[in-house]
Amino acid sequence: AQSVTQLDSQVPVFEEAPVELRCNYSSSVSVYLFWYVQYPNQGLQLLLKYLSGSTLVESINGFEAEFNKSQTSFHLRKPSVHISDTAEYFCAVSSSGGYNKLIFGAGTRLAVHP
Amino acid sequence: DTAVSQTPKYLVTQMGNDKSIKCEQNLGHDTMYWYKQDSKKFLKIMFSYNNKELIINETVPNRFSPKSPDKAHLNLHINSLELGDSAVYFCASSQDGGAYEQYFGPGTRLTVT
Repeated sequence: AQSVTQLDSQVPVFEEAPVELRCNYSSSVSVYLFWYVQYPNQGLQLLLKYLSGSTLVESINGFEAEFNKSQTSFHLRKPSVHISDTAEYFCAVSSSGGYNKLIFGAGTRLAVHP
Repeated sequence: DTAVSQTPKYLVTQMGNDKSIKCEQNLGHDTMYWYKQDSKKFLKIMFSYNNKELIINETVPNRFSPKSPDKAHLNLHINSLELGDSAVYFCASSQDGGAYEQYFGPGTRLTVT
């Protein structure tokens, strides 16, 4: 069985400050890892994903995440946040073979203040 | 063009009623999903269909019955609604299941009174 733990339920931060949202996973098989973002009253959008290859993956809006197999982590970082980054962020894992399902963490509410 | 659409967006109903939520995707994907997001924002998969065939069926009360008339549509019918069914239900789709990006619909907020 797989599980995802997002260590912070809420992260308040000031605009232009750096931020890290933490995610740890548990799995007995190889995994794919994802970060999704949910803006208020909207569905989820994929922010970035790790399938294989380089352990550092980046999104088009400045976020990056690093897959660390030894620490079973996939933390999300951004060097300078904007007000518009305020949203709920979900880390998710799926097994890497066959038909698979996304197992989500409980989410981290990122609140960016001016 | 909306990639994954759901109707209705809001649904308010009384306990004991039967209701349906419809989902359509125009992305040409072959796999569709239903997720439930509870009041604490926790997301859990309920069902998944691949080419109209049920491939994932989580531990969901049998009052919930998904139906996929074709690979672009996945509907969710709920019988005898209970207070605990109140949640936001999201439909999603992907190509070939799982490894690829899942595209989510805007959600249907179901309130059972």
